[in-house]
Amino acid sequence: DIRMTQSPTSLSASVGDRVTITCRASQSFSNCLNWYQQKVGMAPKLLIYAASTSLSGVPSRFSGTVSGTDFTLTISSLEPEDFATYFCQQSCTTPFTFGPGTTVDVK
Amino acid sequence: VQLVESGGDVVQPGKSLRLSCAASGFTFSNYAMHWVRQAPGKGLEWVAAIYDDGTHKFYTDSVKGRFTISRDNSKNTLYLQMNSLRVEDRAIYYCARDLTLARGVISGPVDYWGQGSLVTVSS
Repeated sequence: DIRMTQSPTSLSASVGDRVTITCRASQSFSNCLNWYQQKVGMAPKLLIYAASTSLSGVPSRFSGTVSGTDFTLTISSLEPEDFATYFCQQSCTTPFTFGPGTTVDVK
Repeated sequence: VQLVESGGDVVQPGKSLRLSCAASGFTFSNYAMHWVRQAPGKGLEWVAAIYDDGTHKFYTDSVKGRFTISRDNSKNTLYLQMNSLRVEDRAIYYCARDLTLARGVISGPVDYWGQGSLVTVSS
């Protein structure tokens, strides 16, 4: 199985900050990497798929990039509604494993 | 698009349970479907997926041989039959729709989720 790691585990930020979350896989693969946002008590929400394609309706401040085996989710300017936990997921091969999550909370 | 799970309950280890997911607002038979679970306070774990026509099914290792994913396209319903339940199967189980509208494909990203159904396994 492909194991996914995320860094940092958590971070504290303020509204307006630029936030970067990194996801790394135990095996290299192309661009089958997805990002989800989950708020407490709610189902996750897909933000980005295929590493860098934003789902329709997702604010443009969210972006995804890939560099080698490192996948990055960037929030260019944090909004109040962005405080949440973010998960990456690989969808290259089953089982479609998730990373452990990165929690973004208020500084 | 709406996905509504049901069937979650408190059961003893070794017992069985069947979850259902009623789908509406889209052509159910055109999409692969997934089950994803989340233990309380923990991360997400992909559990299983099934092709749009039900011909191919995929599972995470920890549930192989115990869980069965199935669907009834005439009823727009997805199922997860869970046998030989273990304490570690305790979680919220989410039904989710595959992103891609395509026959005979599971692309992996899921764009719509249900509200979840809580399964508790305890003696």
